[in-house]
Amino acid sequence: QMELQESGPGLLKPSETLSLTCTVSGGSFSSPSYYWSWVRQSPGMGLEWVGYIYYSGRTNYNPSLKSRVTISLDSSKNQFSLSLNSLTAADTAVYFCARRTGGNSHYDFWGQGTLVTVSS
Amino acid sequence: SYVLTQPPSVSVAPGETATLSCEGYNIGTKSVHWYQQKPGQAPVVVIYYDRDRPSGIPERFSGSNSGTTAALTISRVEAGDEATYYCQVWDGTADCPVFGGGTKLTVL
Repeated sequence: QMELQESGPGLLKPSETLSLTCTVSGGSFSSPSYYWSWVRQSPGMGLEWVGYIYYSGRTNYNPSLKSRVTISLDSSKNQFSLSLNSLTAADTAVYFCARRTGGNSHYDFWGQGTLVTVSS
Repeated sequence: SYVLTQPPSVSVAPGETATLSCEGYNIGTKSVHWYQQKPGQAPVVVIYYDRDRPSGIPERFSGSNSGTTAALTISRVEAGDEATYYCQVWDGTADCPVFGGGTKLTVL
């Protein structure tokens, strides 16, 4: 059974850069079948896709965040990471990492989520 | 960009049937996935590819998709079904997922 676990700081200040890591265990991280994604959820709000990275390194980002976001992967550590710069209070959210198996498939495995608060 | 519309809330008595809708342009031509999210937890897929059910999800959960509306039907609703449900499709043009705004299911 695959497991995903987010890690990173929970409190940041405006204008700082968020760095989160998702560690994947219990499966083949480098399989060409998998796409690794970040999804966030502001307090009391719905799900917002942040972006994904494919095993090859190909990425795609939410256009509303594209200028501030980078997703990278480290296959040697079975990890992928999210970097989001120029933070504002609007970036306060629970950040989930998740896996899907490509095409138009669903997200079948999710991390538990980590709350990131942006406040001075 | 593609938009999915869900009613904000649905209420149903225990033992009754809840039908949650998800509207989108020609959604019947897309594959729809449904997630259940309880407070403080990650979403869990309950229906994928319109009507497939993951192992461990009760048969009470079923899905349909046609025309401009997809639906998640929960039969014999239980208190434990109380949660927010999100529909999701893939926007092939933008190469990104699209989530509906979510429907909070309240079991009376």
